[in-house]
Amino acid sequence: QLQLQESGSGLVKPSQTLSLTCAVSGGSISSGGYSWSWIRQPPGKGLEWIGYIYHSGSTYYNPSLKSRVTISVDRSKNQFSLKLSSVTAADTAVYYCARPPGHWGQGTLVTVSS
Amino acid sequence: DIQMTQSPSSLSASVGDRVTITCQASQDISNYLNWYQQKPGKAPKLLIYDASNLETGVPSRFSGSGSGTDFTFTISSLQPEDIATYYCQQYDNLQVTFGQGTRLEIK
Repeated sequence: QLQLQESGSGLVKPSQTLSLTCAVSGGSISSGGYSWSWIRQPPGKGLEWIGYIYHSGSTYYNPSLKSRVTISVDRSKNQFSLKLSSVTAADTAVYYCARPPGHWGQGTLVTVSS
Repeated sequence: DIQMTQSPSSLSASVGDRVTITCQASQDISNYLNWYQQKPGKAPKLLIYDASNLETGVPSRFSGSGSGTDFTFTISSLQPEDIATYYCQQYDNLQVTFGQGTRLEIK
């Protein structure tokens, strides 16, 4: 069955760029009709949608994060990635990748701290 | 932006009780609404998709209804394993928004 696994740096300094990758197994990221998403959850708080990329390469971002977010796909590696620039402590969160609606990764904690 | 107002923010109920959570969208989202269950330290789990469809493998005590702007999620008979936080999520017009969440506790 489809599985997603996040990886990347767990500690990022303020003002730097957060980079995460989601490896997809059990299915092709190039399969038509699906979107591939990033969602985050600050400690003790609710879920916040970051954005998604379609198999076509079209991207859609949360307006509140749009100026700092880039989501891309690497079809050769069957994975997609998140970059969030100019991070602050407010970006500390568990970051999830997902193929909506029902397939989610386990999440990875990213802490922004000097 | 489409805003989702979910209520209540927390709820305490007894085993066997009927539990209802509501979500109201700031504009018509048709049936583009999902319901998730999240337990501590875990990723959200899809329970209901497209407002009223039960995800495969999810117990039938969970149900959803509604369309347009008003949606309801129901647990017909609360079980101890249902203790979790529940979220609605809309996905209309190329944007996604989550409700604030409902923390469900056992009395």
